[in-house]
Amino acid sequence: QTVVTQEPSFSVSPGGTVTLTCGLSSGSVSSNYYPNWYQQTPGQAPRTLIYSTNIRSSGVPDRFSGSILGNKAALTITGAQADDESDYYCVLYVRSGIWVFGGGTKLTVL
Amino acid sequence: QLQLQESGPGLVKPSETLSLTCSVSGVSIRSSSYYWGWIRQPPGKGLEWIGNMFYTGRTNYNPSLKSRVTISADMSKNQFSLRLNSVTAADTAVYYCASRDYFGSETYGTDVWGQGTTVTVSS
Repeated sequence: QTVVTQEPSFSVSPGGTVTLTCGLSSGSVSSNYYPNWYQQTPGQAPRTLIYSTNIRSSGVPDRFSGSILGNKAALTITGAQADDESDYYCVLYVRSGIWVFGGGTKLTVL
Repeated sequence: QLQLQESGPGLVKPSETLSLTCSVSGVSIRSSSYYWGWIRQPPGKGLEWIGNMFYTGRTNYNPSLKSRVTISADMSKNQFSLRLNSVTAADTAVYYCASRDYFGSETYGTDVWGQGTTVTVSS
């Protein structure tokens, strides 16, 4: 059973930079896992921020960026704003048509 | 512009079958450029990938749900559906349908989500 790991929570100051990660219980994440990142606020459907590791979806500000850092996928928010306070999820393509979501990171901006 | 909209009963009794439909507009589900899938989110919890299908009829399912799930398409209505058998309270969730761009040779692009529909399992 593949487990995708994310930090349960993170905190960042307004204007600061934060990097959230998305890993595997065993093994390393590469671009072959097509990591996607989503932002979700309460009561709303997830919004796609980043797909295929580092491509921003239409309308997403360039302060959101995706990458591979070491053995994990990463979402970096540069110049955090109050309305970035949300839940962030990653999903990985693990094998043979199967995708697995991470548990999500609750980001607080304060 | 590709858009998806979920529909179906908001209340299902335990042990019965949950059935949802996703209506697709802006693109034909016969297209070889997309996978069509379902994701759910129990109250207060994270997202869970349920499964997806390709226009050829090929399906992929979450191993933990595979024995109870069927995803199928009605090409004439440009819709695809989710059936989940033998439901329990643990299947109470917001259910989302979504598309994912497919470029062939196991390469993927972005996705588009529906707004989600809440399903409660209760007698």
